[in-house]
Amino acid sequence: AQTVTQSQPEMSVQEAETVTLSCTYDTSESDYYLFWYKQPPSRQMILVIRQEAYKQQNATENRFSVNFQKAAKSFSLKISDSQLGDAAMYFCAYRSAFFHTGNQFYFGTGTSLTVIP
Amino acid sequence: DTGVSQDPRHKITKRGQNVTFRCDPISEHNRLYWYRQTLGQGPEFLTYFQNEAQLEKSRLLSDRFSAERPKGSFSTLEIQRTEQGDSAMYLCASSPKGGYGYTFGSGTRLTVV
Repeated sequence: AQTVTQSQPEMSVQEAETVTLSCTYDTSESDYYLFWYKQPPSRQMILVIRQEAYKQQNATENRFSVNFQKAAKSFSLKISDSQLGDAAMYFCAYRSAFFHTGNQFYFGTGTSLTVIP
Repeated sequence: DTGVSQDPRHKITKRGQNVTFRCDPISEHNRLYWYRQTLGQGPEFLTYFQNEAQLEKSRLLSDRFSAERPKGSFSTLEIQRTEQGDSAMYLCASSPKGGYGYTFGSGTRLTVV
């Protein structure tokens, strides 16, 4: 079974600074998707960024970017110019690209990000 | 349609009682998922529907749990004879056919006392 590990339970960053959240995963599959989701205190999980494993180029969405290292099975999230609204729990998630196994996400345990004014 | 709706937001029940949660997905999404999230953990997969067909169930979904999605629209998750270990956030998500990611609802927090 696929596993997703987030080794940083808590992180903090000064407003306007950059922070990197770590994620590693374990899989024997060659094709898959990786995601970062944000869960603010209001609880609704919001998609931050997505990476297809077959793409070598790292995904970027405005201030959010990833460092995808397929061989190392690493998928870190970089948040630049951190804002107070970035404070939330961040979950890394894996989904298979294969039809028969791609119907569920495997989530890490999350990293709680605090943004210090 | 503003997103995935879940009702109720909070539910407190006594051990042994039955509870039912409802999820209304985004109308054009044919796939619907239920997850359970306990404190300090990431969401864990419970079950998946494509239209009205329940195609996948986790081992976490014991005999006391049942989910339905009549007519392929809203879904209900029922827990019978609740136990304290059932206390968790129950999340619903939906996605369109061929979509990569989910849209989540705000969840139903269940507390069993």
